[in-house]
Amino acid sequence: EPEVTQTPSHQVTQMGQEVILRCVPISNHLYFYWYRQILGQKVEFLVSFYNNEISEKSEIFDDQFSVERPDGSNFTLKIRSTKLEDSAMYFCASRDRGNEQFFGPGTRLTVL
Amino acid sequence: AQTVTQSQPEMSVQEAETVTLSCTYDTSESNYYLFWYKQPPSRQMILVIRQEAYKQQNATENRFSVNFQKAAKSFSLKISDSQLGDTAMYFCAFMKLSITASKLTFGTGTRLQVTL
Repeated sequence: EPEVTQTPSHQVTQMGQEVILRCVPISNHLYFYWYRQILGQKVEFLVSFYNNEISEKSEIFDDQFSVERPDGSNFTLKIRSTKLEDSAMYFCASRDRGNEQFFGPGTRLTVL
Repeated sequence: AQTVTQSQPEMSVQEAETVTLSCTYDTSESNYYLFWYKQPPSRQMILVIRQEAYKQQNATENRFSVNFQKAAKSFSLKISDSQLGDTAMYFCAFMKLSITASKLTFGTGTRLQVTL
């Protein structure tokens, strides 16, 4: 069964460093998403991507964040200068024309 | 903007018993979807059940069923014959119907513990 994959599973970085979180959505899916979940809190929407452009972003998704789909298979989230409060679980999700979003296993980001 | 409220931070149920998790939401949309996601300790997000707002019939998936009250904006999850493997965080989520990418808006979750 096709699934969304994410790498790495755990990323540790120093404050101020850039990180890139990678996702491989399900092939032939059209809509792509990033969510984050701070430990013990709810899952929060960051950004959605459709037709090679951002279709919606939350107030969390400021200029420090960017997304790319560089090669038609990967979908990346870049954080330019990480802060302590960026420590969270980051989930990628993808969807075809249906209503179900398929989630990846997540990347745990720890900023020291 | 949509909001989703889960008023039960934690619940406990004995194995084989039935438990109901509550969820209310607020929206001005008329066409939307509602979901329940399960998040076990592995933190993977697993879809449990979904409901289309235009359908009056409540969704059912094996031991999981919902009570969808559109006028009251209520969407509760009933788990019958609870199993130890049902122990997890459960998130209620809302998605509006749209041809563009539609985000999920999640509630704060209910931690369910199934005991022997």
